[in-house]
Amino acid sequence: SFVLTQSPSVSVAPGQTARITCGGDNIGSKSVHWYQQKPGQAPVLVLYDDSDRPSGIPKRFSGSNSGNTATLTISRVEAGDEADYYCQVWDSNSDHPNVVFGGGTKVTVL
Amino acid sequence: EVQLAESGGGVVRPGGSLRLSCAASGFTFNDYGMSWVRQAPGKGLEWVSGIHWNGGSPGYADSVNGRFTISRDNAKNSLYMEMNSLRVEDTALYFCARSEEIVVGLGASRTWYFDVWGRGTLVTVSS
Repeated sequence: SFVLTQSPSVSVAPGQTARITCGGDNIGSKSVHWYQQKPGQAPVLVLYDDSDRPSGIPKRFSGSNSGNTATLTISRVEAGDEADYYCQVWDSNSDHPNVVFGGGTKVTVL
Repeated sequence: EVQLAESGGGVVRPGGSLRLSCAASGFTFNDYGMSWVRQAPGKGLEWVSGIHWNGGSPGYADSVNGRFTISRDNAKNSLYMEMNSLRVEDTALYFCARSEEIVVGLGASRTWYFDVWGRGTLVTVSS
């Protein structure tokens, strides 16, 4: 099945830009979704279909997807952005759902 | 308010069975697919199973295929997961998630993403 590869951790200073990558074979041909999970909480959708933001998600969160890499970019990082981030794709050629998550990236705000 | 509430978790011995439930409220349940996603202690997210709005064509992760069965009762706004032949490695927090389906790209392919999550129910498999 499709494999999504994320770096285990990213560290960033407040006010700077964090870039979280998600690698996969020709992932640019797929629609990528991103989730934020803080300790002890359920995941929250922050981007869908590569770069669309759900209601309530700040414009500081943006995304791109091309070739073998999808990227979640967090601009002007705040302390509250410290969390684990997961990418996700649909990986099925039939009516039977099949979903894949990346291993997650821990974002630490210095 | 849109909500999902899981129940049914607990401690079970290897080889045992458990049935999880997820009660949905605040939205039209039969308009959406639904999924179960789990998270082992200290680990990442793992999709377990998903089912379409009408209960048709369910899908399963290889790790649970043949042991777990997903189902739904739209009249009761509820999602279920029957878990049999449980293993130690099934120990995890199990989340219920609403699965939004969209069609994307020039090839008009579908994708799912999870826009509403419950708080999870803990399943511990231990002897």
